[in-house]
Amino acid sequence: NAGVMQNPRHLVRRRGQEARLRCSPMKGHSHVYWYRQLPEEGLKFMVYLQKENIIDESGMPKERFSAEFPKEGPSILRIQQVVRGDSAAYFCASSPARRNENTEAFFGQGTRLTVV
Amino acid sequence: GQQLNQSPQSMFIQEGEDVSMNCTSSSIFNTWLWYKQDPGEGPVLLIALYKAGELTSNGRLTAQFGITRKDSFLNISASIPSDVGIYFCAGHKTGGSNYKLTFGKGTLLTVNP
Repeated sequence: NAGVMQNPRHLVRRRGQEARLRCSPMKGHSHVYWYRQLPEEGLKFMVYLQKENIIDESGMPKERFSAEFPKEGPSILRIQQVVRGDSAAYFCASSPARRNENTEAFFGQGTRLTVV
Repeated sequence: GQQLNQSPQSMFIQEGEDVSMNCTSSSIFNTWLWYKQDPGEGPVLLIALYKAGELTSNGRLTAQFGITRKDSFLNISASIPSDVGIYFCAGHKTGGSNYKLTFGKGTLLTVNP
């Protein structure tokens, strides 16, 4: 079983460009969560999606950030007009159902975004 | 936002020593999880705790869910070089947003062979 797959692993963007981060959940998982990790910090929740639905985006910055999880294909985290403060590691996790005691989410290896 | 206070921030130990780290919160959590993150990788779940007072082991790792539901500790016995990494505590709160994980800032463990 392949785990949560994220790509690219590393992404370099100039200020003002767009960044698109992809996450393919584990097989059979239909719930996806995105977290951001700033240097020397813990992970912070950004958004929770099910197929074609955004369930909770309370951790997303109000501007420039968006996320989707279409019926077909990976979940996408999109950052428009990137700024240096967006440099971070972005992690995706997936679970087979809404998280409960038997369905802890599994994390991918992350995408390290560097804005220059 | 809600934070978990994790300590110590870093530890330097000799191979074979035991290690203890802990996490506290001002809020109640109904789940405590401990993760390990290697450089350039994602967090990997080590131990999950679901009941106050629960003590759970996974090989050389032991973790406990505090009875007040506001703290947890992780012990590593007889450390080995591959234990090097960052250890994070994380928790789920009760209620409708129980899918959100709140993470501590991590404990960086260095093991000298």
